[in-house]
Amino acid sequence: GAGVSQSPRYKVAKRGQDVALRCDPISGHVSLFWYQQALGQGPEFLTYFQNEAQLDKSGLPSDRFFAERPEGSVSTLKIQRTQQEDSAVYLCASSLSREQFFGPGTRLTVL
Amino acid sequence: QQQVKQSPQSLIVQKGGISIINCAYENTAFDYFPWYQQFPGKGPALLIAIRPDVSEKKEGRFTISFNKSAKQFSLHIMDSQPGDSATYFCAASEGWGGSNYKLTFGKGTLLTVNP
Repeated sequence: GAGVSQSPRYKVAKRGQDVALRCDPISGHVSLFWYQQALGQGPEFLTYFQNEAQLDKSGLPSDRFFAERPEGSVSTLKIQRTQQEDSAVYLCASSLSREQFFGPGTRLTVL
Repeated sequence: QQQVKQSPQSLIVQKGGISIINCAYENTAFDYFPWYQQFPGKGPALLIAIRPDVSEKKEGRFTISFNKSAKQFSLHIMDSQPGDSATYFCAASEGWGGSNYKLTFGKGTLLTVNP
């Protein structure tokens, strides 16, 4: 069956550019999470959606980061005015309960 | 403050040996402890998970041991195979926040199994 998909898989941005990262969760999964994984580190929580409602955005590192899930399915993570420290893999996960299923991630490199 | 501490950072094991990775946590509200396996260029994949009401859970060659009083849990990989070579992450989440089961991860252990 189809798992969590993310696009693009790789994104190179010049410092100051805006980027948008897409997540397609498993169909029917109510919960959707975004995580940021720096090189050689574990994933770190960014934000959580229950259907279309963003219930927790405590992990977003700055107001340059914005996430949405307008119809309770596909989600987009947007980063405005990218900085070099934003370079990381951005992971999306979806779930029905405690078990979270991760996508392959989008590797963002900011030059 | 690192809420989940994982060790060792890297581990080399011979084929057929036992791989052991340890994690310790501080937040007593954590009530779900999964282990994830991640290959290069892939997202983390759930291996096995445990709740604090049991001390051990086994699935195939993978076993979690859990010590609630010490706030520690570990992953044992029996009969380790070269295909097990990957990065392993322990994680934890709280159950009080409704459905917001956000995971707190350890920093990972790079396991290499030599043939």
